Amino acid sequence: NAGVTQTPKFRILKIGQSMTLQCTQDMNHNYMYWYRQDPGMGLKLIYYSVGAGITDKGEVPNGYNVSRSTTEDFPLRLELAAPSQTSVYFCASSYLKRDSYEQYFGPGTRLTVT
Amino acid sequence: EDQVTQSPEALRLQEGESSSLNCSYTVSGLRGLFWYRQDPGKGPEFLFTLYSAGEEKEKERLKATLTKKESFLHITAPKPEDSATYLCAVGGNKAAGNKLTFGGGTRVLVKP
Repeated sequence: NAGVTQTPKFRILKIGQSMTLQCTQDMNHNYMYWYRQDPGMGLKLIYYSVGAGITDKGEVPNGYNVSRSTTEDFPLRLELAAPSQTSVYFCASSYLKRDSYEQYFGPGTRLTVT
Repeated sequence: EDQVTQSPEALRLQEGESSSLNCSYTVSGLRGLFWYRQDPGKGPEFLFTLYSAGEEKEKERLKATLTKKESFLHITAPKPEDSATYLCAVGGNKAAGNKLTFGGGTRVLVKP
């Protein structure tokens, strides 16, 4: 199993550009999440999904969009990039087994908006 | 609203010098207290889940404990390879997507 994979690893965007961060998991997990992590800070939830076709907002959703057409993929879309979106983005997935639902994380995408 | 506070923000240890990290939380209906390790430039790596007060879990030099208001991560006789940021998170309502609320982390540096 590759686990959770994210592409690209690094990206530099100009203000106003758009891009999609890709996330794929091969563990057949129902739940998937997108977080951002600013320097020296913890993780803030952007969006999450409890299954294909179902998504919901997290703590900091403004400026982002998501879709979940398959169990495996959960892309994150930035429509009009702003410097405030400079961050490291992590995708995670989890399952529910006997009330155990730890999340497994991808390696992250480091995004700079200038 | 669920809240998690970790202290200290940073910890410098000599190799072999045991210490503890604190994670204080407020949550309506705890469904799990999670500890993760994060190395620079990488995603968080799952360590432990604790479910009820009094529960303890161990892995090598790490031991996590849980009370009704806080959790501790004890590092016994640390080695330089234990240097990392340790993140604590609480799990909330299943109906809300099994979301986790993370603390800000404790950066641990173990010097040889």
